[in-house]
Amino acid sequence: LAKTTQPISMDSYEGQEVNITCSHNNIATNDYITWYQQFPSQGPRFIIQGYKTKVTNEVASLFIPADRKSSTLSLPRVSLSDTAVYYCLVVDNQGGKLIFGQGTELSVKP
Amino acid sequence: NAGVTQTPKFQVLKTGQSMTLQCAQDMNHEYMSWYRQDPGMGLRLIHYSVGAGITDQGEVPNGYNVSRSTTEDFPLRLLSAAPSQTSVYFCASSYSTFEKETQYFGPGTRLLVL
Repeated sequence: LAKTTQPISMDSYEGQEVNITCSHNNIATNDYITWYQQFPSQGPRFIIQGYKTKVTNEVASLFIPADRKSSTLSLPRVSLSDTAVYYCLVVDNQGGKLIFGQGTELSVKP
Repeated sequence: NAGVTQTPKFQVLKTGQSMTLQCAQDMNHEYMSWYRQDPGMGLRLIHYSVGAGITDQGEVPNGYNVSRSTTEDFPLRLLSAAPSQTSVYFCASSYSTFEKETQYFGPGTRLLVL
């Protein structure tokens, strides 16, 4: 199965840019890499997805190198409300199963 | 649209009991899946379905059964509950297999097995 690695936790201050990297191998070559945000006692929520290079939406950017062995979620100017757990999601290259990372707990301080 | 709904929100079982976790979506999504979430282990795929009548195993299927008789519903059955199945269970749906990475999650069911 595909394997993913994310930092367990990160700390930041309001207004800073935060970058969270997920390393992944054995992922499908033609499927998206996706990131989710999860608040306590809620289900995960879609943030952004990409295939290669850089994707930006209203809340985040996603950087994916050409070899697709990692992806970096970038949150510009974080606020206290960005305190959450962030997960990367990849597709396994054998059978196409969805594999989540272990999650990165981001704590934003004032 | 209600999105993805799950019942119950919380359940306590004794070892050996069986139960069914309900999941329903009103978005006409083809792809549905069940995950369990344990501290430090992220979300692990239990079973998934690419359409009515079609199901397949995920990463951790042992001890769980699923069926998909309609597009809307995807129940997860615990055959004989064990303490190791204490977890938070999430159901999710996607528009299609080709967009399976874009998942809409339910609010979760907290299960405690004594």
